[in-house]
Amino acid sequence: DVKVTQSSRYLVKRTGEKVFLECVQDMDHENMFWYRQDPGLGLRLIYFSYDVKMKEKGDIPEGYSVSREKKERFSLILESASTNQTSMYLCASSSGRVNTEAFFGQGTRLTVV
Amino acid sequence: KQEVTQIPAALSVPEGENLVLNCSFTDSAIYNLQWFRQDPGKGLTSLLLIQSSQREQTSGRLNASLDKSSGRSTLYIAASQPGDSATYLCAVRPRGDDKIIFGKGTRLHILP
Repeated sequence: DVKVTQSSRYLVKRTGEKVFLECVQDMDHENMFWYRQDPGLGLRLIYFSYDVKMKEKGDIPEGYSVSREKKERFSLILESASTNQTSMYLCASSSGRVNTEAFFGQGTRLTVV
Repeated sequence: KQEVTQIPAALSVPEGENLVLNCSFTDSAIYNLQWFRQDPGKGLTSLLLIQSSQREQTSGRLNASLDKSSGRSTLYIAASQPGDSATYLCAVRPRGDDKIIFGKGTRLHILP
């Protein structure tokens, strides 16, 4: 079974802190994604990576950065956390072959106080 | 720009009924369409993947269809059960792009 694992289920951070959200997949997938999910807004793509050290901005990259030093790991970084970044964060991975499924982690509920 | 819409946003049906969830997308140039289930506070679980060349896929009580030319997909759930209560999301992978575009989901409540 494909596994996408996010490092934390719940996080509480203070405004201004630097926050790291980690995601690891075990299926040698090329593509990895970070989404945030908010009520009424659905899933919005923050960043996407299609290979090691490669990244593309999604729809809402402001206030975030990412790191992909190894194929299996994709990190989302909140440079200076703000209360409007309180959200559910979801990591996903998929193969670079087009006719394959995407798989999601269990989600990280981040609260910034 | 590809947009995915799911209507209705919420649906309640009595246990045992068959039901259909709808998904529409604006650009028919897709590689595939995927249906997911999400329980409250959890991640997404993949239910069915339909390739662009396919018309439908089945898994147990679930059947998903795809009409690419009209930009529509449906998820049919047979003999609904309270355990089917969840949010169902559809997502497309646009042709020429590795990104995945989601609808906002339909929140389904099965009444015991």
